[in-house]
Amino acid sequence: NAGVTQTPKFQVLKTGQSMTLQCAQDMNHNSMYWYRQDPGMGLRLIYYSASEGTTDKGEVPNGYNVSRLNKREFSLRLESAAPSQTSVYFCASSLKQGPNTEAFFGQGTRLTVV
Amino acid sequence: GNSVTQMEGPVTLSEEAFLTINCTYTATGYPSLFWYVQYPGEGLQLLLKATKADDKGSNKGFEATYRKETTSFHLEKGSVQVSDSAVYFCALSTFGNEKLTFGTGTRLTIIP
Repeated sequence: NAGVTQTPKFQVLKTGQSMTLQCAQDMNHNSMYWYRQDPGMGLRLIYYSASEGTTDKGEVPNGYNVSRLNKREFSLRLESAAPSQTSVYFCASSLKQGPNTEAFFGQGTRLTVV
Repeated sequence: GNSVTQMEGPVTLSEEAFLTINCTYTATGYPSLFWYVQYPGEGLQLLLKATKADDKGSNKGFEATYRKETTSFHLEKGSVQVSDSAVYFCALSTFGNEKLTFGTGTRLTIIP
């Protein structure tokens, strides 16, 4: 059981380049999330998708776009990368949104923008 | 809004020592509380949770009690092991704002 799979695991971009981070889950979960993790900041929500076909902004959406391609896949796109987007990115999923619901996380993508 | 405050790390302890990692919160509405753990090179995984006041969550020897009167959810373990070295995150969610809100994380290192 793979759970939540993110690709790539590592990436170096030049300022202004674009890229898409891929995420797929095989648990038939409805909700999916993108977080970024920065030292001293914890995890901050970038975007989330409560169900297939819907997406909403989180705490730090500027500079990012997302696509919920189908129930399994939720991608995060950086159109013009900036050094401030150097971070570790985590995708997560949960069966539903709700205060008791456990979120499952991927292993992360370490992105460096130079 | 919702927020979580964790004790700052890093925390370094000797094997078999007693561990406490403090966590306090503010919430709009009635929160559910979580501790997640991140082992080196991995994503976060749920360690334990509590969904109502006075509930105690427990797993792998770790415990945390939901204290509504002090808005706290401190993580404790009686005797830590080297394998407990990780980053620990306190988190909450509430009805109406059901995305997880995380604390900044506490890095724990256990030395033999």
